[in-house]
Amino acid sequence: GEDVEQSLFLSVREGDSSVINCTYTDSSSTYLYWYKQEPGAGLQLLTYIFSNMDMKQDQRLTVLLNKKDKHLSLRIADTQTGDSAIYFCAETYINTGTASKLTFGTGTRLQVTL
Amino acid sequence: DGGITQSPKYLFRKEGQNVTLSCEQNLNHDAMYWYRQDPGQGLRLIYYSQIVNDFQKGDIAEGYSVSREKKESFPLTVTSAQKNPTAFYLCASSIGTDTEKLFFGSGTQLSVL
Repeated sequence: GEDVEQSLFLSVREGDSSVINCTYTDSSSTYLYWYKQEPGAGLQLLTYIFSNMDMKQDQRLTVLLNKKDKHLSLRIADTQTGDSAIYFCAETYINTGTASKLTFGTGTRLQVTL
Repeated sequence: DGGITQSPKYLFRKEGQNVTLSCEQNLNHDAMYWYRQDPGQGLRLIYYSQIVNDFQKGDIAEGYSVSREKKESFPLTVTSAQKNPTAFYLCASSIGTDTEKLFFGSGTQLSVL
């Protein structure tokens, strides 16, 4: 079945850039997502990328997709303490027609230090 | 404001007891989902529903049941058959086929007494 892997923890200093990485196994993935989860809360969709794109930028967020290596990354520029959270990578393929077949990674806990 | 409301935020279950987690949305979304989150693991799909009076099992449906009598409501019952129910439960909804627009509630933490 599909598998999505992430490292569990990342620590960065305030003002630096953060890069969170994700690898996936399903070559038929169509949409790839980044979600943010703050403590005790639900997940918030940050951004997503379609598999025929290799980059997407949205303010401080940059998503890079290497489809050949099945590698997705999220870069947060000028990281702030409010960015401290767990970041989940997720993927799905379009033939399902719904979000029900989203496969989530284990999440990366981002700690921002002063 | 539109959104998804889960209640209660914390719930305790005694041995052999069934408990029901509430999920209500006022986004007029067709599809609703229940996920289970365990520490250090990704989210796992329990059940989902694409339309009223219809629902399908996800990857870990055993020990759980759902109903979808109204478009805005998708309650999850954790039955006594679920032997390891302690987890954080997340409800979500989407317009239907727009996979990028998955909205989550704030979650319910279920613990066993």
